[in-house]
Amino acid sequence: KQEVTQIPAALSVPEGENLVLNCSFTDSAIYNLQWFRQDPGKGLTSLLLIQSSQREQTSGRLNASLDKSSGRSTLYIAASQPGDSATYLCAVTRGQNFVFGPGTRLSVLP
Amino acid sequence: NAGVTQTPKFQVLKTGQSMTLQCAQDMNHNSMYWYRQDPGMGLRLIYYSASEGTTDKGEVPNGYNVSRLNKREFSLRLESAAPSQTSVYFCATGTFRSGANVLTFGAGSRLTVL
Repeated sequence: KQEVTQIPAALSVPEGENLVLNCSFTDSAIYNLQWFRQDPGKGLTSLLLIQSSQREQTSGRLNASLDKSSGRSTLYIAASQPGDSATYLCAVTRGQNFVFGPGTRLSVLP
Repeated sequence: NAGVTQTPKFQVLKTGQSMTLQCAQDMNHNSMYWYRQDPGMGLRLIYYSASEGTTDKGEVPNGYNVSRLNKREFSLRLESAAPSQTSVYFCATGTFRSGANVLTFGAGSRLTVL
């Protein structure tokens, strides 16, 4: 059974710092990995999608990498801003099936 | 453009009561999903519907039933609510883009069972 973990569970940083969020999964037979953002009281918003044949994807200040052989993905956020404060979840996908990690709660302090 | 709309946003039930969570989408997506989110556990799939007229069990289906009324609507029913069903419920739609299934989520429904 696929299991997804995320470290750290919570992170607090001052504005302007670069930071890395980690996602680990136990079964490397995945199709894709997605990173989502969740604001308090809201649903999830897709940030980045990495297909299994890719090693990384970039969108603005966000860069996500994927290493299937080691079962790891990282989300790098450059020059963090208070507006980046949210919970970030990763999900590994295989067809219709998504397995989500528990999320990392990020606070960026002004 | 509403996207994925869930009702109600909040609900308090007593043990043994029944209720239905409604989900409607205007995105013309074929797939629809119901997840529950509990602290520290991520989202877990309850049921999903790959297309109109089909439904399948997910990871945690016990205590729930679903109905895919048409392409737009996918409802989740609790026949006899239990405190263990206290959670935040999310409906999502799925569509394939660049070879990957991409989900769009509703805002969630917070359910408390006393």
